[in-house]
Amino acid sequence: SQQGEEDPQALSIQEGENATMNCSYKTSINNLQWYRQNSGRGLVHLILIRSNEREKHSGRLRVTLDTSKKSSSLLITASRAADTASYFCATDGGEYGNKLVFGAGTILRVKS
Amino acid sequence: EAGVVQSPRYKIIEKKQPVAFWCNPISGHNTLYWYLQNLGQGPELLIRYENEEAVDDSQLPKDRFSAERLKGVDSTLKIQPAELGDSAVYLCASSLGFAGELFFGEGSRLTVL
Repeated sequence: SQQGEEDPQALSIQEGENATMNCSYKTSINNLQWYRQNSGRGLVHLILIRSNEREKHSGRLRVTLDTSKKSSSLLITASRAADTASYFCATDGGEYGNKLVFGAGTILRVKS
Repeated sequence: EAGVVQSPRYKIIEKKQPVAFWCNPISGHNTLYWYLQNLGQGPELLIRYENEEAVDDSQLPKDRFSAERLKGVDSTLKIQPAELGDSAVYLCASSLGFAGELFFGEGSRLTVL
């Protein structure tokens, strides 16, 4: 089962540009997290935003959460070639309870 | 601090053969997860442990999959017998409690021929 759906499925940009990825989910949540996965590697946690928060920043990352629209966005500013990876949103709460449920991910390619 | 360690990183077996994956979580993390990741998809939870107890194994195909976490530390995931459709990456993760950041291992990539 996959709660979140990322959009777009794939994104290709030039180094220095900003990258925006969106995540929509179906049920109420407690928390939403974003993870990065480099090819052939495990997932790395980027940021967690709670359902009562609207925006969080971490370095070049900015995450927003709109619970009324059941959606979140991840913005990576001034992208670098090293940002090339798959990005997943994951949620817990609602009908999924304590289970952390991942979306299918967005593949980001940053061209140098 | 050592991260989550998984082995083997790669395994190729014939269908109907057994296979086992091992995971050593981050020291002190009482919650351990096994996830299955198919190509182009996000991870899907197979089983979650709180210490030695499997608290969520609803997605584990129990006819051929088994897992254990003896002494609440290391964990083993076994498939017997393996089928072609089991080809995937098996990810182990650990966390402090069940809500919050998960720390993932590098994964074990299984190919069933």
